Amino acid sequence: GAVVSQHPSRVICKSGTSVKIECRSLDFQATTMFWYRQFPKQSLMLMATSNEGSKATYEQGVEKDKFLINHASLTLSTLTVTSAHPEDSSFYICSASGGASDTQYFGPGTRLTVL
Amino acid sequence: TQLLEQSPQFLSIQEGENLTVYCNSSSVFSSLQWYRQEPGEGPVLLVTVVTGGEVKKLKRLTFQFGDARKDSSLHITAAQPGDTGLYLCAGAWGADGLTFGKGTHLIIQP
Repeated sequence: GAVVSQHPSRVICKSGTSVKIECRSLDFQATTMFWYRQFPKQSLMLMATSNEGSKATYEQGVEKDKFLINHASLTLSTLTVTSAHPEDSSFYICSASGGASDTQYFGPGTRLTVL
Repeated sequence: TQLLEQSPQFLSIQEGENLTVYCNSSSVFSSLQWYRQEPGEGPVLLVTVVTGGEVKKLKRLTFQFGDARKDSSLHITAAQPGDTGLYLCAGAWGADGLTFGKGTHLIIQP
């Protein structure tokens, strides 16, 4: 159990365009979803926390107008990178938690490349 | 900002040797998780430790949580090439997002 999926797994886009990444909990209801970013050879850095039906909480230094997060249901959260630039190229990973446990289950990640 | 120091960052050893990875913080965790991550994939949870002094075993992997819940270690016995990967510790403070250590890149040479 506790499977989290992400779509797409890879995306390449032109600079200035927007990209939407989906994160789904497949077999449990995720009251909280988290978005992380991982640059090459580095660890995961928390970007934002989203609770179903409420606004996301962003970590210091993460632009909320650039990284739009929507958590409209208990099984889906989306991250939209607006006006993407090459420096936004990274591996974006979501995680989800729900129920009695705070354990986070991670998705497989989305590799974003901005040309 | 909660910081998590993980060491060593890189480790290359021969098959059959033992190794230990350390994770330390000046803050108390509510829980600590250890993950393993393969290139191009998301982290996979290995274990969660919650109680100070707790020891958990997963085959040849032994995880220990410090008595004060500020540090943890991962010990691998008789390492095998299949253990090669990136090992990450992550500290949790309640239901907040995780703070990850920088990771340990482990290479086990046959």
